[in-house]
Amino acid sequence: AQSVTQLGSHVSVSEGALVLLRCNYSSSVPPYLFWYVQYPNQGLQLLLKYTTGATLVKGINGFEAEFKKSETSFHLTKPSAHMSDAAEYFCAVSLTSGTYKYIFGTGTRLKVLA
Amino acid sequence: GAGVSQSPRYKVTKRGQDVALRCDPISGHVSLYWYRQALGQGPEFLTYFNYEAQQDKSGLPNDRFSAERPEGSISTLTIQRTEQRDSAMYRCASSLRAGGALRPNTGELFFGEGSRLTVL
Repeated sequence: AQSVTQLGSHVSVSEGALVLLRCNYSSSVPPYLFWYVQYPNQGLQLLLKYTTGATLVKGINGFEAEFKKSETSFHLTKPSAHMSDAAEYFCAVSLTSGTYKYIFGTGTRLKVLA
Repeated sequence: GAGVSQSPRYKVTKRGQDVALRCDPISGHVSLYWYRQALGQGPEFLTYFNYEAQQDKSGLPNDRFSAERPEGSISTLTIQRTEQRDSAMYRCASSLRAGGALRPNTGELFFGEGSRLTVL
């Protein structure tokens, strides 16, 4: 069975500091992996995705994530946090290759301190 | 509109009442998904459509929940005889391409702002 674990429901970083949001997955098949961001009172927005090919994927707003099969991880990073990055972030794995039938993690709320 | 539109944004109802939640996807989008998100949890898959055909309804919790998309555009999620445990944010999303296990789809899923349902 597939599952997603996000470590840390709340993460606080100082403005300008490194952002690291952790995601581990379990999957019996090669996974499609996604990170979504949710700003207050808005829908989820795709940050980046891994399907095949290069394991380091770059997304919008300076975020990137690296697929590490040996560690079953897909951690999200950004070198320098901005106040506008404050939001809730969700990692997801596609249950069925080629669909958006996802299993989502429980989310990590990122707070950026001035 | 340019994005996925959901209505109502907020719905408060009494236990036992039926509710209908509407989703208007981005024009021309082929696939449409419904998710449910309880407080403090990630979204949970309910069902999805390609065009008007319901492809997978394995996530619907029980037979009080149903969804339709009769003309391949607007979709309605209906909950009959609501219970307090149905309280959640219901999210709709659409994609330009059809999704399916035999049709690799690496496009993007666009989410609406959600309908928050509170059952008293």
